[in-house]
Amino acid sequence: QQQVKQSPQSLIVQKGGISIINCAYENTAFDYFPWYQQFPGKGPALLIAIRPDVSEKKEGRFTISFNKSAKQFSLHIMDSQPGDSATYFCAASIGGGSEKLVFGKGTKLTVNP
Amino acid sequence: GAGVSQSPSNKVTEKGKDVELRCDPISGHTALYWYRQSLGQGLEFLIYFQGNSAPDKSGLPSDRFSAERTGGSVSTLTIQRTQQEDSAVYLCASSLGQSSNQPQHFGDGTRLSIL
Repeated sequence: QQQVKQSPQSLIVQKGGISIINCAYENTAFDYFPWYQQFPGKGPALLIAIRPDVSEKKEGRFTISFNKSAKQFSLHIMDSQPGDSATYFCAASIGGGSEKLVFGKGTKLTVNP
Repeated sequence: GAGVSQSPSNKVTEKGKDVELRCDPISGHTALYWYRQSLGQGLEFLIYFQGNSAPDKSGLPSDRFSAERTGGSVSTLTIQRTQQEDSAVYLCASSLGQSSNQPQHFGDGTRLSIL
């Protein structure tokens, strides 16, 4: 049973465009939803995270939108840059993130110059 | 600044051999996690240590896998009698522990290849 479903599997956007990655979860006990960015040969790095008591969180060009009733959340990357090309993982956890993370299968983003 | 350090970065071994993977967490982090990332797959939880509490071993795939954490710091993940399906990147993460909004910081992993 896959608790966090992520789509699309891959995404190609042009420089300056908006990248949108979606995730859906099943366990309503989840209370912490981070997004991680991973470059080849490197470990995942936390990009941005949200709690279910807010519907949106923005940090620079990155925004998380959260829909608690639909059990969905998404990552929007505004003004996408070639340097944003990486694999992005959504995740979910209980205990405010102190417990194990359940990850989506990842989205490989390519931003063309 | 010191992040999570894992060693070795790469390990190639023959099927049936035992391997040990090491993780040095960020200083002061009381929580330590092991995950496995198989080719083209997401990250799969293996085991979680929090302070002196009993570890959460619910993600270990078989009894060939074990982990320990000595002195609340360094952790070793051991895989006995390795199989080809054990080939993956093994990632370690640490966090400040049982507080909300404490992110998990990952190391760069150990890439394990079983011949």
